[in-house]
Amino acid sequence: GEDVEQSLFLSVREGDSSVINCTYTDSSSTYLYWYKQEPGAGLQLLTYIFSNMDMKQDQRLTVLLNKKDKHLSLRIADTQTGDSAIYFCAESILGGGKLIFGQGTELSVKP
Amino acid sequence: DTGVSQNPRHKITKRGQNVTFRCDPISEHNRLYWYRQTLGQGPEFLTYFQNEAQLEKSRLLSDRFSAERPKGSFSTLEIQRTEQGDSAMYLCASSSDAESTQYFGPGTRLTVL
Repeated sequence: GEDVEQSLFLSVREGDSSVINCTYTDSSSTYLYWYKQEPGAGLQLLTYIFSNMDMKQDQRLTVLLNKKDKHLSLRIADTQTGDSAIYFCAESILGGGKLIFGQGTELSVKP
Repeated sequence: DTGVSQNPRHKITKRGQNVTFRCDPISEHNRLYWYRQTLGQGPEFLTYFQNEAQLEKSRLLSDRFSAERPKGSFSTLEIQRTEQGDSAMYLCASSSDAESTQYFGPGTRLTVL
């Protein structure tokens, strides 16, 4: 089946690293995505990783993919108060058009 | 490139009324998607189009919901006989065949009283 799970809350201090975790069940995932949503807004694409990659780095963001364990993580280095938002991981399924989203992780960054 | 746009941004309606939302995708994108997001949840897929063809519909899309994309550009989502359970954020996204990454609009927040 198609299911994506995330922990609901994460709180960090400004300047620390944040790690947001996600697990998925469908082994036919092609791409895995991280989106950011601020209150009342749409989803902003942060980064994505192809399913045959292990890691992708993009400035302060590092994505790690463990395909064997179906585990995806997003690390944000030097977290800032402006990073406070809800972060969603999502998978796309081979042959399909839709994205399957987790329920989102609310990141709170304290000064 | 102005991104995906959606109108209206907010809609308040009374139960039983019909509502229609519009989505304008990124201009060179031929795929268009509709999602629904309720409070505290991730977006849930409703339907998607490739050009003007509607290729997939979720079972969430009851017979009160209809989506169209008549000329393969903008799309409309209509909800007939709205119910309080329809209150949600309705998100539209678009992508191209060359790059499957979906880019989202700001959403239309529907409140059914």
